[in-house]
Amino acid sequence: DQQVKQNSPSLSVQEGRISILNCDYTNSMFDYFLWYKKYPAEGPTFLISISSIKDKNEDGRFTVFLNKSAKHLSLHIVPSQPGDSAVYFCAASGVDYGQNFVFGPGTRLSVLP
Amino acid sequence: DADVTQTPRNRITKTGKRIMLECSQTKGHDRMYWYRQDPGLGLRLIYYSFDVKDINKGEISDGYSVSRQAQAKFSLSLESAIPNQTALYFCATSDPTSGRFTGELFFGEGSRLTVL
Repeated sequence: DQQVKQNSPSLSVQEGRISILNCDYTNSMFDYFLWYKKYPAEGPTFLISISSIKDKNEDGRFTVFLNKSAKHLSLHIVPSQPGDSAVYFCAASGVDYGQNFVFGPGTRLSVLP
Repeated sequence: DADVTQTPRNRITKTGKRIMLECSQTKGHDRMYWYRQDPGLGLRLIYYSFDVKDINKGEISDGYSVSRQAQAKFSLSLESAIPNQTALYFCATSDPTSGRFTGELFFGEGSRLTVL
């Protein structure tokens, strides 16, 4: 059973609007979370991270929210741009994973002009 | 030039053949990883190495082996390829002692392997 879930395989959003990508996890020992973005024919690239001691982290247009009690995190992109169209992976790590990461299946975001 | 380079980028092979995917990095990182990506499953860890003398199995190591020839080089081998090893393979590096983001992975561009 997947420990990191991204239940929306795809998402379409109009340019300028907000994109919200969701991620749920089952292991309460996870304490560090990252989001990666992947374009076709390229490797994933780091986007933003959050530690379990925080509930929000912002970097420009990207904000990640963490709800530990619900074991849920979300990535907000405001405003969305066509160049944001990519696959987004959520990843989680914890002490019992030796600092390795467990990835979700990804959500394909399409930002429409 | 890419900091993490994978070769080959694409490979088609037949069942039972031995195949090696190579990864080299210029980032000077001690930690290196091999992941595979399958549709609907995300990236799954095959093997990882925290330094030249350290090799560890990941989530899905069966059917794979690795070699850490130097700090900069980490190879993944399929001794006898089978069709369900058809996937996109990624090499990655990390250096948890540097940068703002502990644990951030730096990925290569991927090697697409097809086993017929």
